[in-house]
Amino acid sequence: QTVVTQEPSFSVSPGGTVTLTCGLNSGAVSTSHYPTWYQQTPGQAPRIIVYSTDTRSSGVSDRFSGSILGNKAALTITGAQADDECSYYCLLHMGSGAYVFGGGTRLTVL
Amino acid sequence: EVQLVEYGGGLVKPGGSLRLSCAASGFSFSTYTMNWVRQAPGKGLEWVSSISSPSTYINYADSVKGRFTISRDNAKNSLFLHMNSLRADDTAVYYCVREIRRGWFDPWGQGTQVTVSS
Repeated sequence: QTVVTQEPSFSVSPGGTVTLTCGLNSGAVSTSHYPTWYQQTPGQAPRIIVYSTDTRSSGVSDRFSGSILGNKAALTITGAQADDECSYYCLLHMGSGAYVFGGGTRLTVL
Repeated sequence: EVQLVEYGGGLVKPGGSLRLSCAASGFSFSTYTMNWVRQAPGKGLEWVSSISSPSTYINYADSVKGRFTISRDNAKNSLFLHMNSLRADDTAVYYCVREIRRGWFDPWGQGTQVTVSS
């Protein structure tokens, strides 16, 4: 069974930088998985931040950047702000046409 | 305005069936792959199923394979999810989403709540 792993929680200071990661139990994450990152605040629908590894969605701050770091996909947030505090989900395309979401990372800014 | 409206959710007993529908408007529905994504209460997002257009390629999460069937009616701009043998862990808000590019799901509607309980 394919499992996409994310840190359950992370904390960052206001103005700080944090890197969230997205791994795969069956091997390395690559651009072929088209890593996508979503942001979700409680009670709201998810909002896309980054797709195809490193392309920011329209209107998303350049404080958010996606990449591959080692064998994982990564989302880096610089200059963390209070309204960055929410959950972040990674989504990977599994080649067969199926997708798997990671368990999500709850980010705290304090 | 691009819009997706899900409906058909409700309370159903374990082992029961339900059919979810999604009405699309504001875009050329027949040219997009569509997906269902769900979110259990207080839990994360889970991809459920996808269907290409035409319905050549269909995929399911392992957790629903053999129980759920995705389908579409391009003439009616509609997406469906037939759910059989429902279990308590199928309880979730179900979202229908358009796949703009691989992994890029947008928009997200308000979802429809499915509760499986005796």
